[in-house]
Amino acid sequence: EVQLVESGGGLVQPGGSLRLSCAASGFNISSYYMHWVRQAPGKGLVWVSRISSDGRSTSYADSVKGRFTISRDNAKNTLYVQMNSLRAEDTAVYYCAARKRDGNNFNDYWGQGTLVTVSS
Amino acid sequence: QSALTQPASVSGSPGQSIAISCTGTSSDIGSYNYVSWYQQHPGKAPKLMIFDVSNRPSGVSNRFSGSKSGNTASLTISGLQAEDEADYYCISYTTSSTWVFGGGTKLTVL
Repeated sequence: EVQLVESGGGLVQPGGSLRLSCAASGFNISSYYMHWVRQAPGKGLVWVSRISSDGRSTSYADSVKGRFTISRDNAKNTLYVQMNSLRAEDTAVYYCAARKRDGNNFNDYWGQGTLVTVSS
Repeated sequence: QSALTQPASVSGSPGQSIAISCTGTSSDIGSYNYVSWYQQHPGKAPKLMIFDVSNRPSGVSNRFSGSKSGNTASLTISGLQAEDEADYYCISYTTSSTWVFGGGTKLTVL
């Protein structure tokens, strides 16, 4: 069974740091572009960051650029995001997603999310 | 990186067809055929319904279709069913090598 499981969320004070992990099972992430997407309570989806399959290319939303760092360990089949200088507006459920074209089809897998709350 | 523009809500009766628009700019929707649509039920992870403007992943009903004209993409759902009631989001690749979602549209099946 294909599965993505996020972990590492929790309560953190403004200015603090948190590292989220996303462990994959049932498939090999090494051929997938991986993304982080967040959703504030009661709000819409917001794209956060993306990393290429080999980890050499990354991109970020302006709102997190310079504060968040996406990385991956294909040997461990795991995606990460290091979040520094956290702000109240970073409070959200964070989803990881794996995306890959497969011929005429498209493989698109999401985790169930992990909640990050930034509050004093 | 402004969010793509979607109507906040749309509604339709069972059996009817509805369309949800997603308006961007020449820096995103207008530049690439990399528009996807997601369905999200409350408390659930998003589900891919359309990729590359008009393609359906395997397993997605052919009642869902997508199109694009200029800077605007559209998702059409025909033969509305109760289980289609959900939030729908468009997403597009951008000329900055980033991705941007729409604000989301709540579909109500009357």
